[in-house]
Amino acid sequence: QVQLQESGPGLVKASQTLSLTCTVSGGFINTEYFYWSWIRLRPGKGLEWLGHIYKSGTTYFNPSLQSRSTISVDMSKSNFSLKVNSVTVADTATYFCARLRRDLQPYVFDVWGQGTMVTVSS
Amino acid sequence: QSALTQPPSASGSPGQSVTISCTGTSNDIGTYNYVSWYQHRPGKAPKVIIYEVNERLPGVPDRFSASKSGNTASLTVSGLQAEDEADYYCSSYAGSNTLIFGGGTKLTVL
Repeated sequence: QVQLQESGPGLVKASQTLSLTCTVSGGFINTEYFYWSWIRLRPGKGLEWLGHIYKSGTTYFNPSLQSRSTISVDMSKSNFSLKVNSVTVADTATYFCARLRRDLQPYVFDVWGQGTMVTVSS
Repeated sequence: QSALTQPPSASGSPGQSVTISCTGTSNDIGTYNYVSWYQHRPGKAPKVIIYEVNERLPGVPDRFSASKSGNTASLTVSGLQAEDEADYYCSSYAGSNTLIFGGGTKLTVL
């Protein structure tokens, strides 16, 4: 079955760029049935949808982070990536990648990565 | 885009029922029937248990049920079991290909 795995630095300095990659295995990333998403869980807060990307490269973002965020997809490597610019300590969180369905169960995050903790140091 | 409102905590004894509310607005829950519920145990990946307001995923016990009225969705866990202890999050489609989560509810089985 499909598995997602996040990777990237666990420590980022404030004002720099957070970069994470999600590798998709056991399935095709180049499919019309799914979006590929990023979600985070900040300490003491709830889950926060950050954005997602379709196979065409079309992206959708949470308005609160849109100005600082980029999501891209690399079909050849079966992965997709998140970049958040100008990070602050408020961006410290566990970052999850997830598959968002477009078909039988629309707008359901049905497969998740295990999450990766990113700490922003001041 | 403000988070959906959930109570921070809920609790019940084994065998009891607990209901968790999730309040949004007419821009999300009130308009769309794409409300999902996720169970999250610390250190694990969140797991979807309910989609499209009240549909259970295969393998999810029928002790979990959900509904929606107006701008508020609800998740009910009946016959509480120790294994139900987790954080629960609601999610809703919010139009224009955006989604929103609730702040999460920590369910404690006493």
